[in-house]
Amino acid sequence: SQQGEEDPQALSIQEGENATMNCSYKTSINNLQWYRQNSGRGLVHLILIRSNEREKHSGRLRVTLDTSKKSSSLLITASRAADTASYFCATAAGGTSYGKLTFGQGTILTVHP
Amino acid sequence: GAGVSQSPSNKVTEKGKDVELRCDPISGHTALYWYRQSLGQGLEFLIYFQGNSAPDKSGLPSDRFSAERTGGSVSTLTIQRTQQEDSAVYLCASRGGGNTGELFFGEGSRLTVL
Repeated sequence: SQQGEEDPQALSIQEGENATMNCSYKTSINNLQWYRQNSGRGLVHLILIRSNEREKHSGRLRVTLDTSKKSSSLLITASRAADTASYFCATAAGGTSYGKLTFGQGTILTVHP
Repeated sequence: GAGVSQSPSNKVTEKGKDVELRCDPISGHTALYWYRQSLGQGLEFLIYFQGNSAPDKSGLPSDRFSAERTGGSVSTLTIQRTQQEDSAVYLCASRGGGNTGELFFGEGSRLTVL
């Protein structure tokens, strides 16, 4: 079973709107990462949040982490058509800094111009 | 090299044949990962190499799958007696020894088993 589960599975919005994606996980983690994948390409790292952090920002990205609920959210503000991609959360299990990284099923984001 | 390089980018083979997929990680990266991604799905962990430690093979789906990493650099994923369900994109990623945790992915090798 997947450690990280994203929802929604698909999200369709208009350019300029905000996009929020959620990730839930089952076991304790050391850190949680978000990746982006354009169609037919490899994954690109977006942001990493550690288990002792609650919120992190990077440009138009805002990530939150709630370890009590075992969940994280990724907010993309002022979305652009170029943000159209699949977004995955990935977790590294507690007790190991970066070893095995487990990915969720992803959220497909479509931003309409 | 500048990034993670994988070859071939596309491979079409017949059921029962063996295939080898190659991954050339970023120079100096100590960790190397293989994942499998079926169409429209998430990433399935296959195997993880970290320096000279024994690899974590817990994700290999059957004994037809094996991987090695020679000299701590290039890695080869071998699938023996391929089956149609092996059709997928095989992604390789590497990670440096620092504290960022970030994985750098190659573009993947798309395997089609007829």
